Amino acid sequence: DIQLTQSPSFLSASVGDRVTITCRASQGISSYLAWYQQKPGKAPKLLIYTASTLQSGVPSRFSGSGSGTEFTLTVSSLQPEDFATYYCQQLSSSPLTFGGGTKVQIK
Amino acid sequence: QLQLQESGPGLVKPSETLSLTCTVSGDSISSNTYFWGWIRQPPGKGLEWVGSIYYSGRTNYNPSLKSRVTISLDTSKNQFSLQLSSLAAADTAVYYCAARALGAGAPLSPWGQGILVTVSS
Repeated sequence: DIQLTQSPSFLSASVGDRVTITCRASQGISSYLAWYQQKPGKAPKLLIYTASTLQSGVPSRFSGSGSGTEFTLTVSSLQPEDFATYYCQQLSSSPLTFGGGTKVQIK
Repeated sequence: QLQLQESGPGLVKPSETLSLTCTVSGDSISSNTYFWGWIRQPPGKGLEWVGSIYYSGRTNYNPSLKSRVTISLDTSKNQFSLQLSSLAAADTAVYYCAARALGAGAPLSPWGQGILVTVSS
């Protein structure tokens, strides 16, 4: 199975901050990586797929980059509604796997 | 607009079999447009992909659950289902159904709202 390691696991930030989350894959996955946002009691919401393609309706302050084994999710200016847990997922090979999550909390 | 909705029991006993259904609206599960899948999330923990099924009936399961999982289609009701046998407390989780479009690297979207299943006597 392909392991995904997210860092950091927890992040404290203020509104307006630039935030970057990293996802590292145990082997190359080309650009077959997605990012999801999850708020308490809700289903994950797709933000970005194929590493850098913004899902329709997602604010442009979210961006993704990377290929191979290292990927990043960046929020250019954190807004109050962005405090949530973020997960990466690889879609390169079965079984599909997720990173452990990054919880973004208010500083 | 594609929408998915899970249904099933909220409480099941250890050693029994869980049966959940996902009702799809906005597209036919018989079309060759999507894979239909299940994901679960234990309380306070991360996400685990359970498995998926294609319109042809071809299935793909997580090896960690493969011996206990069955995913099937009911085209007459535009639903797909999950059965998980030999339940234990560790199977307590929110279970989500989701669609995955065909194409390399296509993500899971949309997701159902999820259903909490507790395994307890």
